[in-house]
Amino acid sequence: GNSVTQMEGPVTLSEEAFLTINCTYTATGYPSLFWYVQYPGEGLQLLLKATKADDKGSNKGFEATYRKETTSFHLEKGSVQVSDSAVYFCALSDQEGSSNTGKLIFGQGTTLQVKP
Amino acid sequence: KAGVTQTPRYLIKTRGQQVTLSCSPISGHRSVSWYQQTPGQGLQFLFEYFSETQRNKGNFPGRFSGRQFSNSRSEMNVSTLELGDSALYLCASSWTGLNYTFGSGTRLTVV
Repeated sequence: GNSVTQMEGPVTLSEEAFLTINCTYTATGYPSLFWYVQYPGEGLQLLLKATKADDKGSNKGFEATYRKETTSFHLEKGSVQVSDSAVYFCALSDQEGSSNTGKLIFGQGTTLQVKP
Repeated sequence: KAGVTQTPRYLIKTRGQQVTLSCSPISGHRSVSWYQQTPGQGLQFLFEYFSETQRNKGNFPGRFSGRQFSNSRSEMNVSTLELGDSALYLCASSWTGLNYTFGSGTRLTVV
């Protein structure tokens, strides 16, 4: 079945450091890919998405490119801030044939801690 | 516009009891999905409803059930609660069945 694998955390960085969180997926067909962020005590917020190969999603300085050849969707940010400290989830849209099932498949999440 | 609203935010129940959680989607969204989040298992899909019909169901026992009303509001019910049901339950809604907006969740503690 379809699956998502994220790098294990926690990831600890100093403010203004470069961030990469690796995400790879296994899927049949052409799923859409997402990054969600979860702050303490809150639900998930959509950070960015990409719906087809070579698409780049971007938001709030974060970027990720849909790489079908390497089945990856790595999250990057050039300069992290303390306020970026949160848990980040990579996800894909589950499909049956070419239709979305309404189900998202999530990775295990990566905790990011940014120190001043 | 208002986001996805889940009630209650926190809930404490005793083993063996049942519980009902509520989710009000964004106005106009007809797809509602539910997820269970635990430290050990992460985010797991429970079920998805579209226009009052359950379209997809995750791998959970029959104690977990849900429904959707004509106004798209959804409820999920867990009967005969077990300690392992303690989790954050997240609801998400979508217009397209693809771009989901999540609520803040209901934190259920079973004692």
